Amino acid sequence: TQLLEQSPQFLSIQEGENLTVYCNSSSVFSSLQWYRQEPGEGPVLLVTVVTGGEVKKLKRLTFQFGDARKDSSLHITAAQPGDTGLYLCAGGNSGYSTLTFGKGTMLLVSP
Amino acid sequence: ETGVTQTPRHLVMGMTNKKSLKCEQHLGHNAMYWYKQSAKKPLELMFVYSLEERVENNSVPSRFSPECPNSSHLFLHLHTLQPEDSALYLCASSQADTSVDTQYFGPGTRLTVL
Repeated sequence: TQLLEQSPQFLSIQEGENLTVYCNSSSVFSSLQWYRQEPGEGPVLLVTVVTGGEVKKLKRLTFQFGDARKDSSLHITAAQPGDTGLYLCAGGNSGYSTLTFGKGTMLLVSP
Repeated sequence: ETGVTQTPRHLVMGMTNKKSLKCEQHLGHNAMYWYKQSAKKPLELMFVYSLEERVENNSVPSRFSPECPNSSHLFLHLHTLQPEDSALYLCASSQADTSVDTQYFGPGTRLTVL
């Protein structure tokens, strides 16, 4: 059984601070996806990374896939209240149409 | 985002009721999924349909019955549910014959079983 561990489980910061959240596994994935979910809504895809060592930037968000494709990180620069939400990572394997999800990191950014 | 829609958004039902959740995807995808999201647990995959055939059923109780009449629509029929079935039920879709399984989610149905 493949598992994804996300840390921290909960993070509360002030507007303008930087933060990093992590997604770790003992298993190799062919792709890693990050989603953000707001209360009462479904997860919204932020990014998909597929190559070991890959770094993708989405405005103030930087995503990195580990060299061994077992872990990933999400770094947010100068966090804003609009970044508040549950950040989920999900690992995929090519040729098999299911994803393994972590429990998520709940981020609260206060003004 | 209106690629995947779900109705109703909220549902309260008694343990003896029968109800159905509906999902529709407008993305031209060929796979659809039902997930259950409970507090402090990872998303739990319930059912997968690929090309309108059920390809996965993760030991879900028979009180949950999925139906996929075509590649754009997915239903979850509910009957004699238990209070522990209260959760957010999410539908997703993807293009299953690609090397990267990117799934797109609907807004979910918040189900409360009394």
